Amino acid sequence: DGGITQSPKYLFRKEGQNVTLSCEQNLNHDAMYWYRQDPGQGLRLIYYSQIVNDFQKGDIAEGYSVSREKKESFPLTVTSAQKNPTAFYLCASSIGGTGLAYNEQFFGPGTRLTVL
Amino acid sequence: AQSVTQPDIHITVSEGASLELRCNYSYGATPYLFWYVQSPGQGLQLLLKYFSGDTLVQGIKGFEAEFKRSQSSFNLRKPSVHWSDAAEYFCAVGGHTGGGNKLTFGTGTQLKVEL
Repeated sequence: DGGITQSPKYLFRKEGQNVTLSCEQNLNHDAMYWYRQDPGQGLRLIYYSQIVNDFQKGDIAEGYSVSREKKESFPLTVTSAQKNPTAFYLCASSIGGTGLAYNEQFFGPGTRLTVL
Repeated sequence: AQSVTQPDIHITVSEGASLELRCNYSYGATPYLFWYVQSPGQGLQLLLKYFSGDTLVQGIKGFEAEFKRSQSSFNLRKPSVHWSDAAEYFCAVGGHTGGGNKLTFGTGTQLKVEL
């Protein structure tokens, strides 16, 4: 079955610690995205990558970092610089290319991060 | 900059009743418009999308949406709601911005279905 997997489903972190969220897709998609979801705020774009070894900041990139060393993987690191990291994090992918804006995005099940 | 407004935070309907969820967008050119649905604690699933052509688009699970350029709206409708439709619904607009092509999501509408 093709799809997107995110792990872990729940993650707890102490203040001051970095933590990495995993996102893997086997859809052969070029583009991948990370969103943050907070109650009443919808989805906000953190980072996106249109191709391997390339990524761009989204609307709320401060305190986050990513890498794209493989087509199928796009891990997100939440650093200690992120002031309010408790949220639901969603990874997505699409076929990419220049038409990012009109390609359907496929979403993973999400990771809920809680800072203790 | 592109933006999306979903004016209704919560909507409650009875099972079997009709449903309309509102979405207004702001975008300088012809927009790409989407409706996604999210069940609790899950990712999002695409219901339907509009790029061009017929302004009434059909989606999965019996949903449809109508693009009205004059009103900058893309409202989602369903003639008869089922209890399993209870979820959160997000409208999104896609387009090129200074930072590259991306989707902008609305804040969502939470749908409750009364049996």
